[in-house]
Amino acid sequence: AQSVTQLGSHVSVSEGALVLLRCNYSSSVPPYLFWYVQYPNQGLQLLLKYTTGATLVKGINGFEAEFKKSETSFHLTKPSAHMSDAAEYFCAVKNDMRFGAGTRLTVKP
Amino acid sequence: DGGITQSPKYLFRKEGQNVTLSCEQNLNHDAMYWYRQDPGQGLRLIYYSQIVNDFQKGDIAEGYSVSREKKESFPLTVTSAQKNPTAFYLCASSIDWTGANTEAFFGQGTRLTVV
Repeated sequence: AQSVTQLGSHVSVSEGALVLLRCNYSSSVPPYLFWYVQYPNQGLQLLLKYTTGATLVKGINGFEAEFKKSETSFHLTKPSAHMSDAAEYFCAVKNDMRFGAGTRLTVKP
Repeated sequence: DGGITQSPKYLFRKEGQNVTLSCEQNLNHDAMYWYRQDPGQGLRLIYYSQIVNDFQKGDIAEGYSVSREKKESFPLTVTSAQKNPTAFYLCASSIDWTGANTEAFFGQGTRLTVV
């Protein structure tokens, strides 16, 4: 069985500050991991994914995530937050297509 | 343009009525999914289909039914047995179920309100 846990249902940062959204997974096999973003009243869109190879994955809008097997983590980061980054973010693991509970990111001016 | 289309965007239903939410994709994807989203609860999997003419229950299938008679279409029926149907419903598809490229492509959602 596979599952993901997102730590923190709500994260608030100032514009220009580092964004860190946490995701831990449990999996009995090497996982494929995804981060999605959802803007209000819309569907989700893919930010980035890890399948195999390089453990640091770069995605759209300046986001990146690092797969750390020893920590079973796949945290999402962005060096400098923009107001347009305010949204809900979901971590997911392949094969059962279950999602984490989501983290709402608020960016303060 | 290829994509996944959900209709309608907003839907109102009287208590005790069944209602069907449409989901169509022209991406030639084998796998399709239905999720329910409530405030503060993330996405919960209702049903999924790995291939045409096959589907499986997800975590919250009670009160819902689906069909997958065509590859492009995966309609969801919310029956009167669903006790709290008011929610935002999302349909998604992916190339397949088992490959590495199984990221999901989502529709824009249908907001169902029971009145």
